[in-house]
Amino acid sequence: DQQVKQNSPSLSVQEGRISILNCDYTNSMFDYFLWYKKYPAEGPTFLISISSIKDKNEDGRFTVFLNKSAKHLSLHIVPSQPGDSAVYFCAASAPNTGNQFYFGTGTSLTVIP
Amino acid sequence: NAGVTQTPKFRVLKTGQSMTLLCAQDMNHEYMYWYRQDPGMGLRLIHYSVGEGTTAKGEVPDGYNVSRLKKQNFLLGLESAAPSQTSVYFCASSNRKHPEYFGPGTRLLVL
Repeated sequence: DQQVKQNSPSLSVQEGRISILNCDYTNSMFDYFLWYKKYPAEGPTFLISISSIKDKNEDGRFTVFLNKSAKHLSLHIVPSQPGDSAVYFCAASAPNTGNQFYFGTGTSLTVIP
Repeated sequence: NAGVTQTPKFRVLKTGQSMTLLCAQDMNHEYMYWYRQDPGMGLRLIHYSVGEGTTAKGEVPDGYNVSRLKKQNFLLGLESAAPSQTSVYFCASSNRKHPEYFGPGTRLLVL
């Protein structure tokens, strides 16, 4: 049973515009959330995290928003660049579960020059 | 500074054979992880370690064993490989709660 879902397998955006990647979760106990980026034939790269005590976290062009009542988080990339073309994974964990993180299935972002 | 390295990069096994995947990190990280990634699925945690000499089960531990005898190395063993273990395996390390640095992956095909 997939506890973290990314319902959009792919997304295309024009260079310079905003990319919005979405992630939904079912476990209300999740309190820590992550986004990773993955290029083909490479391991994932950690991008940004957010704790459930916040609803927004920014790091440069990347901002993650958390809506706990909707069990939804999103990653905004502004402005989008061709180098952002990759697969993006969200992940979540609950307290007292050790280092167990549950990953979504990923969204493939293509930024069109 | 090589980061996280994985050996081998690719391997083909026959059903029933055994093998060990090696993960090495040179960042003095406490936490190390083994994940598998299958088509259409997210990364799933197999086993992890919170320090030298410790290991713990993740989401999908069956059919795998691990050891962390040295802080910089985390070994993943398959005692009797099955076709269901065909996957891409990623190792990761971190000094934070979450996996931060991933290796390039090992592609395993079990025939």
